[in-house]
Amino acid sequence: GAGVSQSPSNKVTEKGKDVELRCDPISGHTALYWYRQRLGQGLEFLIYFQGNSAPDKSGLPSDRFSAERTGESVSTLTIQRTQQEDSAVYLCASSLFPLAGGSWDTQYFGPGTRLTVL
Amino acid sequence: GQQVMQIPQYQHVQEGEDFTTYCNSSTTLSNIQWYKQRPGGHPVFLIQLVKSGEVKKQKRLTFQFGEAKKNSSLHITATQTTDVGTYFCAGTTSGTYKYIFGTGTRLKVLA
Repeated sequence: GAGVSQSPSNKVTEKGKDVELRCDPISGHTALYWYRQRLGQGLEFLIYFQGNSAPDKSGLPSDRFSAERTGESVSTLTIQRTQQEDSAVYLCASSLFPLAGGSWDTQYFGPGTRLTVL
Repeated sequence: GQQVMQIPQYQHVQEGEDFTTYCNSSTTLSNIQWYKQRPGGHPVFLIQLVKSGEVKKQKRLTFQFGEAKKNSSLHITATQTTDVGTYFCAGTTSGTYKYIFGTGTRLKVLA
C-alpha cells in the first residue's frame, strides 16, 4: 500500500513568510510524528499526535510553530514568520499504535520536505 | 532533559570488516528502535528492542539492549557497500510517546 507522503518536497521561502507543510500518513495509523533534521544532524522531535489530539507538543521550538491533524488523517505543520534557522528537512512519520509493543510502534517515515529560508 | 548519544560519530571501514555503533541514554528507556538513513533518504526502521538484555539478529546485524535499559548497540558483521548510511537509535521513556533520536553514526564502507 501507499507509504507516508509529504508535500511539497522542496520549499524555498523568504525570511518572514509563513509556510505550511503537509503530511499524509499511512491509512489507519493512529500515531503521527513530526521531526526536524538539520543538515548533517540527527532528528529533532517536534510534536506527536494520537488521532487528532497532540498530547506532546514539547518539541516545538517556538510559538511560530504549530501543527494540527484532521482525525487520523492528514497533518499540517505551519511555521509563521520563517527565520533562516528554520531551514531543514521536516520529516513526518506514522505508526499503527504507539507504545503497544512489537511491530505496532514501527515508525514509517515520509520523504520529507526540504525547507530553505533565504 | 533526556539525551541520547551515539559513538562513534563517523566510521570508515574496509568492506568485509566489522562495525559497531553504541547508543547511550541519560535515562532508563522503555524501548529502543534502530533506523538506517541512506544519503539523501529518510530513516527506515530496522528493529525494536523492549526487554532488558535483549539480543536480536537480522542476517549480519546484531542488536543488543543493555541490562539497565540505558544503552544499546548495533553490530554489523562483514560490512558491505550497501551498509553505507547513518544509523540512528531512538528511545522513549515510560509515560511518554516522545522518541529521542541519537546523534547518529555515519558509516562509510570502502570497497
